[in-house]
Amino acid sequence: QVQLVESGGELVKPGRSLRLSCAASGFTFTDYYMNWIRQAPGKGLEWLAYINSTGRDIMYADSVRGRFTISRDNAKNSVYLQMDRLRVDDTAVYYCTFPARLARVWGQGTTVIVSS
Amino acid sequence: DVVVTQSPLSLAVTVGQPASISCRSSQGLVYSNGFTYLNWFHQRPGQPPRRLIFKVSNRDSGVPDRFSASGSGTDFTLKISRVEAEDVGVYYCMQGTHWPWTFGQGTTVEIK
Repeated sequence: QVQLVESGGELVKPGRSLRLSCAASGFTFTDYYMNWIRQAPGKGLEWLAYINSTGRDIMYADSVRGRFTISRDNAKNSVYLQMDRLRVDDTAVYYCTFPARLARVWGQGTTVIVSS
Repeated sequence: DVVVTQSPLSLAVTVGQPASISCRSSQGLVYSNGFTYLNWFHQRPGQPPRRLIFKVSNRDSGVPDRFSASGSGTDFTLKISRVEAEDVGVYYCMQGTHWPWTFGQGTTVEIK
């Protein structure tokens, strides 16, 4: 069945880096844009970034542009989110989803806590 | 950024009664291909959101037909014809027309 499994979330200090992964299965990965969305504790949803099937079309929200980098490895059916210069307000559950604009499928999320 | 505003922010409904959530966007949501990317999601505590409705009024597979949605331009509505206990949680509308795609603040539905 169609599945997205995020990993890589952990407790990290402000200013450090973290790389999240999302492993996809059950569908033709190369056919789809992929997205990262996050949800801070007790808050709403924020779309962070998307990447097209080849990795050449990428967009970021202003809140993460210049600090976060989305990428994908089509050979591994995986999408990544490299998060640099992390801040306390980056604390959230991070979800990968697809397709772009429609977000039909979501992973269970991975939790990132940024705290000193 | 397109601001998406939901109302009400919370709703207490008796089982079997109807419920309605409004979603308004600060800009029209018709994309260049003619589609309107306004989607609705339901989230239970500790769970990822689940999409209910896509492109204004299309119900996802497995979504009960007591859920319906409509709208155009900047005004959209999600309706539950007869609320059931399993419908509690937070409902979000989301626009996927203008980048960055944005969500409403969420509407919390509880049972009276």
